This record gives sequence, C-alpha cells and structure tokens, in this order.
Amino acid sequence: GENVEQHPSTLSVQEGDSAVIKCTYSDSASNYFPWYKQELGKGPQLIIDIRSNVGEKKDQRIAVTLNKTAKHFSLHITETQPEDSAVYFCAASPTGNQFYFGTGTSLTVIP
Amino acid sequence: EAGVTQFPSHSVIEKGQTVTLRCDPISGHDNLYWYRRVMGKEIKFLLHFVKESKQDESGMPNNRFLAERTGGTYSTLKVQPAELEDSGVYFCASSQRVRETQYFGPGTRLLVL
Repeated sequence: GENVEQHPSTLSVQEGDSAVIKCTYSDSASNYFPWYKQELGKGPQLIIDIRSNVGEKKDQRIAVTLNKTAKHFSLHITETQPEDSAVYFCAASPTGNQFYFGTGTSLTVIP
Repeated sequence: EAGVTQFPSHSVIEKGQTVTLRCDPISGHDNLYWYRRVMGKEIKFLLHFVKESKQDESGMPNNRFLAERTGGTYSTLKVQPAELEDSGVYFCASSQRVRETQYFGPGTRLLVL
C-alpha cells in the first residue's frame, strides 16, 4: 500500500518568516494530495489540495508544489502568523477513497 | 451548512468494556469514512461507506470493531471488547463523491484503561 513520510515533525519559525513542510509518497498511482491543518481540540481542516496534473497551486499565503517524478510534495506558508500554529498533515490518495496520511508536523509561530 | 459532528467528544472506558462512537456526516454526503490516530502516529483509514454499504473496510484492525450506517445517514463504530491499544482519536469524514474533498469531524478521543 501507499506510504507517506512527512518532515519535519516539529517546526518553529519567527512570525513573518516562511515555513516549509515536505512529504514523500511511494505509490505512483497516487493522484490526489490534500493538506490538512488541525488546531487544538478540533478535527483536521482542509487548507489546500493538489491533483497530479498540476505542479503547483497557490491560495494567498499558502502554496503546494508537487514533483511526480520524485514522488514528493511540499507545503509552503509565507508571512507566517501566530494563528498558523497548528499540526499540519499531508496525505496521498491512489484510490480516491482512502487517504494515507503523514505523521504530522507541529508548527509553532513565535510572535 | 453544518459540518461533520461526532459524539461523544471524549470517552474513558476500562479494558473489556464496549464503546459506541457516532458520526453524523454533512447532509447530502453519501460517502462516509472512519479514520483513527493513535498517539503520535499517522491518521489511518479504517473504512468507507457509500450510503449504507461498506465500500472498503480494509483498514479495520480486527473483528472487535463493527461499523454500521443504517439508512445511509449517521454511522456508528462499536468497539467490543475494548483493548488498551484501541486508545486514540477516532475521526469521521464525509464527502459528496469519491475523489472529492473529505471533511473531517472533531474526533472522539477514546482512552481505554
């Protein structure tokens, strides 16, 4: 089955700096890659996603890049703010129903 | 539009007891998924319903877990008898169609003592 690895497990940045979280996947059939943000006491919320026919997608301060050849995808958050502090999960899906998640990155933005 | 809701938010039970978790998906979403996150690990898929039918239950850990979705609306996940390793956060998600965004509920935090 699919295996998703996510790095780093923890990340601290100064407010205003950029944060980058990287994920790799193993199944070349994976074609959908969502990113979720989980705040304390809440469930994961989708923040951005990308499909395999696209190399990059941007939404305001958040961007995701996908390299299908290398089987890796990354989340980029620019101009970080304290409210960006949360746990971020990447996921990959080869079938469309099962999502395979990474182990999560705990991001702390220091004011 | 109301999101995915789950009940209870927390449950503490003793080994050998039974617990039933409930999930109410977003109205109109035929697809309902159960996931579990054990402490510090990844969120793992358990099963997928399309309406009332189990489409994929390949992630269910063993036969102590029973999921149902009678009538194709809300779903329940029963653990009987519970073991220590069943502790974790159980998430439910729903989507209108397969291959579309899955919207997650807040989770049920289960602790088996």
